[in-house]
Amino acid sequence: QQQVKQSPQSLIVQKGGISIINCAYENTAFDYFPWYQQFPGKGPALLIAIRPDVSEKKEGRFTISFNKSAKQFSLHIMDSQPGDSATYFCAASRVGYNKLIFGAGTRLAVHP
Amino acid sequence: SAVISQKPSRDICQRGTSLTIQCQVDSQVTMMFWYRQQPGQSLTLIATANQGSEATYESGFVIDKFPISRPNLTFSTLTVSNMSPEDSSIYLCSLREDYTDTQYFGPGTRLTVL
Repeated sequence: QQQVKQSPQSLIVQKGGISIINCAYENTAFDYFPWYQQFPGKGPALLIAIRPDVSEKKEGRFTISFNKSAKQFSLHIMDSQPGDSATYFCAASRVGYNKLIFGAGTRLAVHP
Repeated sequence: SAVISQKPSRDICQRGTSLTIQCQVDSQVTMMFWYRQQPGQSLTLIATANQGSEATYESGFVIDKFPISRPNLTFSTLTVSNMSPEDSSIYLCSLREDYTDTQYFGPGTRLTVL
């Protein structure tokens, strides 16, 4: 019940295309859902985060879509660029707990 | 966002030795965390380190193997003790901003044990 399942494991997108990464969770107590971007040799960087009271959040080319009833959330990268090539992790946590539960990660390659 | 630095950035160690990793943050925070990221894998929480209290370890991690110190609100150390090749990983320091859920990560320490 503590798992966050992330798919796909890897993704190849052409420059200018839309990258979509999906995550699903079981624990309905989760109430905070961040996405992290990690480049090789670097620590994960917070990209964008959402709470269940909204269905969508957009920051620049990055959008989180949240479906509370389906217990799913996804990251959309619009106009994908080669510089977006990185590993993306979704995560979840619940009120009163400090632990972030991470998905397995998606390795994104954007080809020029 | 918070600035987190870690030392060393990487190290190659011999089996049976210990390494202490330092984490320094640029602001006072209550909650700091240590994670392990094995090659090509996701992040696994080792322990939560709050200033003034004993670290809380996750299942599968013990204090004898991963002793942690948190002497003040801007600094923490993680020691990897009696290392074996299975300890080869990236070790990441993290903090959570007080009064928010926002969590930031340091650049990591890449450890190779021979």
